Amino acid sequence: DAKTTQPTSMDCAEGRAANLPCNHSTISGNEYVYWYRQIHSQGPQYIIHGLKNNETNEMASLIITEDRKSSTLILPHATLRDTAVYYCIVRVGGGNTPLVFGKGTRLSVIA
Amino acid sequence: NAGVTQTPKFRVLKTGQSMTLLCAQDMNHEYMYWYRQDPGMGLRLIHYSVGEGTTAKGEVPDGYNVSRLKKQNFLLGLESAAPSQTSVYFCASSWDPYPHEQYFGPGTRLTVT
Repeated sequence: DAKTTQPTSMDCAEGRAANLPCNHSTISGNEYVYWYRQIHSQGPQYIIHGLKNNETNEMASLIITEDRKSSTLILPHATLRDTAVYYCIVRVGGGNTPLVFGKGTRLSVIA
Repeated sequence: NAGVTQTPKFRVLKTGQSMTLLCAQDMNHEYMYWYRQDPGMGLRLIHYSVGEGTTAKGEVPDGYNVSRLKKQNFLLGLESAAPSQTSVYFCASSWDPYPHEQYFGPGTRLTVT
């Protein structure tokens, strides 16, 4: 699976949009981009995933560049409860390959 | 619907002791996974299973064994615990077919002294 690069940490003011970048320049055509987050001491939580098109759900939006070499997770109105480590993962569609977690980005939402 | 549950939540072992961590899911998922997470690190995959009766090695399998005798349960065993196995252990499960999201349990905090 392709490797990902994320900033180690980011801050965001409460109520503002949080934009978390991820580089995956070696992504191949059949690899999806997943985002998970982990709030302190809890198990990771799925947020969103996509292949080519931008995706939106009740939690976040995922913007994938046209060349698919990078993506951005957007939390439109960050709250203090969004403080967590956010993981960007790329993975081949289908098959038995599990997710591989890196170190992620620690997002701190500040009041 | 309890989702993914893990037993126990906390455990302290002495070096050389053995123990089994239990993961149970009630979502009829085919895939189940065991991860470990050390302080300041991301999750690392230990073993996983793609169905009842099957297991496979992940990134860090040494020192651990697993069994999936029933679809809803995935057991992680430590035969002879070492201090290096002090960690938080997370279990996860997911659907088949792809694409699928993984559902995680609350974790087991294990300390080996």
